[in-house]
Amino acid sequence: QITLKESGPTLVKPTQTLTLTCTFSGFSLSTSGVGVGWIRQPPGKALEWLALIYWDDDKRYSPSLKSRLTITKDTSKNQVVLTMTNMDPVDTATYYCAHTRGPFDYWGQGTLVTVSS
Amino acid sequence: QLVLTQSPSASASLGASVKLTCTLSSGHSSYAIAWHQQQPEKGPRYLMKLNSDGSHSKGDGIPDRFSGSSSGAERYLTISSLQSEDEADYYCQTWGTGNWVFGGGTKLTVL
Repeated sequence: QITLKESGPTLVKPTQTLTLTCTFSGFSLSTSGVGVGWIRQPPGKALEWLALIYWDDDKRYSPSLKSRLTITKDTSKNQVVLTMTNMDPVDTATYYCAHTRGPFDYWGQGTLVTVSS
Repeated sequence: QLVLTQSPSASASLGASVKLTCTLSSGHSSYAIAWHQQQPEKGPRYLMKLNSDGSHSKGDGIPDRFSGSSSGAERYLTISSLQSEDEADYYCQTWGTGNWVFGGGTKLTVL
């Protein structure tokens, strides 16, 4: 059974750096073809893909946010970490991580991050 | 540019069927997509992967009432025997050339 869970701060101040952790079980991020992605959803708005890391450490970023994002993995801990720099109130959203072998086929429950001073 | 287009809203009656559409941008009509359901106040749930030839593979526990089909650049999600719990937002998603894209979502109202 594949499960993923996001963790991190619920409130960050403008200009701060956000660090989110995705802890997963039921699969290994060293298995060929497997990836973990991050997706966010501002309140009342659509889903937006942010970043993705593959089993071979190949990393992909949304072109519009690439300069602010870093994604890493710790295979031994079954964790993927996303950092986003220079947070702004428009970055207020629920952040999800998801397993992928093409489509995002297993999702975490999400964590709401509010950016406010 | 890889873009997915969805109608913002749709409605159908309890027990009826509804067909939602996701359109791939020009030059991307061979791409597979995925459909996701997001019920109110919940996270997304993967429904299925839908290929350009209309073949599809569903996620865990997805009822037979949900099916997919394709025609050219259009990808469809058909929900039959609509139930109240099908009232949700439905997103299509695709991937390719290092980019993952979501459509804007369709809000389905069950009357």
